[in-house]
Amino acid sequence: GQNIDQPTEMTATEGAIVQINCTYQTSGFNGLFWYQQHAGEAPTFLSYNVLDGLEEKGRFSSFLSRSKGYSYLLLKELQMKDSASYLCAVESFQKLVFGTGTRLLVSP
Amino acid sequence: EPEVTQTPSHQVTQMGQEVILRCVPISNHLYFYWYRQILGQKVEFLVSFYNNEISEKSEIFDDQFSVERPDGSNFTLKIRSTKLEDSAMYFCASSEPLRTDTQYFGPGTRLTVL
Repeated sequence: GQNIDQPTEMTATEGAIVQINCTYQTSGFNGLFWYQQHAGEAPTFLSYNVLDGLEEKGRFSSFLSRSKGYSYLLLKELQMKDSASYLCAVESFQKLVFGTGTRLLVSP
Repeated sequence: EPEVTQTPSHQVTQMGQEVILRCVPISNHLYFYWYRQILGQKVEFLVSFYNNEISEKSEIFDDQFSVERPDGSNFTLKIRSTKLEDSAMYFCASSEPLRTDTQYFGPGTRLTVL
């Protein structure tokens, strides 16, 4: 089966750091993605992890532990425009299997 | 920067009618995908397409659905007889040859079935 879990909603303050966790159990694994999705818009690619460890890209970092079936997305120096849904997705046999997404609300 | 485009942005149709959703993938990409997202729910894989044939499809992609690459640029999703529950955002995506790790999504078509 395919199961990807992430919190439904999180809140944080502008300038803060937030960590969004994702756990997965999938029948195949070719990598883990994080996408950002604003309401009514398409998902936009943020990061990709295929090996264990941390990938850093500006204010965003993503971590993967394949043995634990666990990833997190770390957002630093939060800005109001970071308010969006963050989707964890596993590539399994050339398709992306998405979690339900975590809605992040950044307040002033 | 090249991008995936989709038309129309919004399609309203009556239950039982056929709809065709159109996508123009990024020009050097060879892998194409359709996903859908029912309002308030997660993004769900429908089908992947490579070398003029379906490479994988989900349980959602039943006989009512079909995909086609009618020419060198377009990639279409046809729903033969729409149902109310087909109302959703439909996203097309494409990826480079040998780089299926990054799929670029189009802006989506919002399908409303009345």
